[in-house]
Amino acid sequence: QKEVEQDPGPLSVPEGAIVSLNCTYSNSAFQYFMWYRQYSRKGPELLMYTYSSGNKEDGRFTAQVDKSSKYISLFIRDSQPSDSATYLCAMTSGGSNYKLTFGKGTLLTVNP
Amino acid sequence: GAGVSQSPRYKVTKRGQDVALRCDPISGHVSLYWYRQALGQGPEFLTYFNYEAQQDKSGLPNDRFSAERPEGSISTLTIQRTEQRDSAMYRCASSLAGLAGETQYFGPGTRLLVL
Repeated sequence: QKEVEQDPGPLSVPEGAIVSLNCTYSNSAFQYFMWYRQYSRKGPELLMYTYSSGNKEDGRFTAQVDKSSKYISLFIRDSQPSDSATYLCAMTSGGSNYKLTFGKGTLLTVNP
Repeated sequence: GAGVSQSPRYKVTKRGQDVALRCDPISGHVSLYWYRQALGQGPEFLTYFNYEAQQDKSGLPNDRFSAERPEGSISTLTIQRTEQRDSAMYRCASSLAGLAGETQYFGPGTRLLVL
C-alpha cells in the first residue's frame, strides 16, 4: 500500500460545478498537507497549504484536513475551464524531513 | 524573477550511457530537491540539499544515481550506465530556507528517454 492514495480519475465536470478531490494517507506523522496543480507539460505549482487538521479557504478553493481519518480534500467552487489540470496532493512530516510524498494526481477537465 | 530552470528539457540516450541533468534553483534558495515523475504518477523524492550539503539521499534508487551541488547553487543529477527503466521526467525543486512545510517551487523538468 502506498503512503498516499489518490484516485487518478479522470474527472470531467461542466463549468460552474463544485469539484471535490481527495486523498487518503497511512503515515500518521504527516503534519503538512499541500495541493499542487500541474498543467500539461508544466511543473507542479503550489495551490493550497494546510498545517495539521482544519480548513483553509482561498477564493474558490477550500482545503480540508481530517487527521483522525487520515483524509484530505480540495473543493473547487464555480469551476472554470482554466481549472483543467492535474491536481496532486502532497504531504510531509516536517521536522528534519522535508521531502514531499505525493499522490498520483487527479486529472480534472472542466468543460465550457 | 526567474523560476527554477532545468536543462536539457529533453534527453534521449542509449542504454549504458551516462547522463547529467542540471538544475538551476531560484536565486538565494537554500534548499534543492530532486524528484522523479513517471507518466501518470506524482513526483517521487530522490534527494535533497541544504546549501551544498546533501541531507537526504534515501530516494536514490541505486548507486548508479548520484547528485551534487558543489557551490550551493546549481545541482547536477548524474545517472551512470542508464537503463530503460530510468526513463521518466526528472524534476528539480527549490525552497527558500529549508523549513518544514515550506513551499517547494518546481522546475519544468527534464524528460529522459533511454533507448
